[in-house]
Amino acid sequence: DTEVTQTPKHLVMGMTNKKSLKCEQHMGHRAMYWYKQKAKKPPELMFVYSYEKLSINESVPSRFSPECPNSSLLNLHLHALQPEDSALYLCASSQEGRLAGGPGTDTQYFGPGTRLTVL
Amino acid sequence: AQTVTQSQPEMSVQEAETVTLSCTYDTSESDYYLFWYKQPPSRQMILVIRQEAYKQQNATENRFSVNFQKAAKSFSLKISDSQLGDAAMYFCAYRSVNLNNYGQNFVFGPGTRLSVLP
Repeated sequence: DTEVTQTPKHLVMGMTNKKSLKCEQHMGHRAMYWYKQKAKKPPELMFVYSYEKLSINESVPSRFSPECPNSSLLNLHLHALQPEDSALYLCASSQEGRLAGGPGTDTQYFGPGTRLTVL
Repeated sequence: AQTVTQSQPEMSVQEAETVTLSCTYDTSESDYYLFWYKQPPSRQMILVIRQEAYKQQNATENRFSVNFQKAAKSFSLKISDSQLGDAAMYFCAYRSVNLNNYGQNFVFGPGTRLSVLP
């Protein structure tokens, strides 16, 4: 099973709202990722959790706040977003391992995404 | 930092024919992984094929195969017997072996939109 699930599928929010995006995987993967994807562009990495350790892309605004309650769940909390934050938000996971590489452990599996519209 | 280039923004292929999508990358690392992902209009990103840089043998997955030229830093994808369901955006991606710098270790190219003509 290589399934990553994301909820909701669509989200419309105002600039003063607070909302959260959720991602879940049950493949025993130890790394999870949030990406932002604008139309006709490649995904841009926002955050990575690996073995519960967070790595941050320093260009991501503080109005995006990730949370990893456990190794299977990943949330993205949204607050005071701007219209330019409207995009497809993708979650991904990979197995990883204590040793660098390892067959297949590096491959990222993606969820279907949440289409976010900020009014 | 690593970069990935896909020089063909759009391509088209006749159904049942063969098409090759180009990808080049730049890195100073000797060991890494390369991927082709497919994203149909339904938007789910799907892994097509994976290549380990330390392996000289080109990866194959059914109708999909790669031509990996490490010295030239080239990683092209060949799709044989193209089907209507192959129509999608194709992204070439680079992944570093280094686990300690996640902010830069997975890089996507700009993508090639493939149309399949009946």
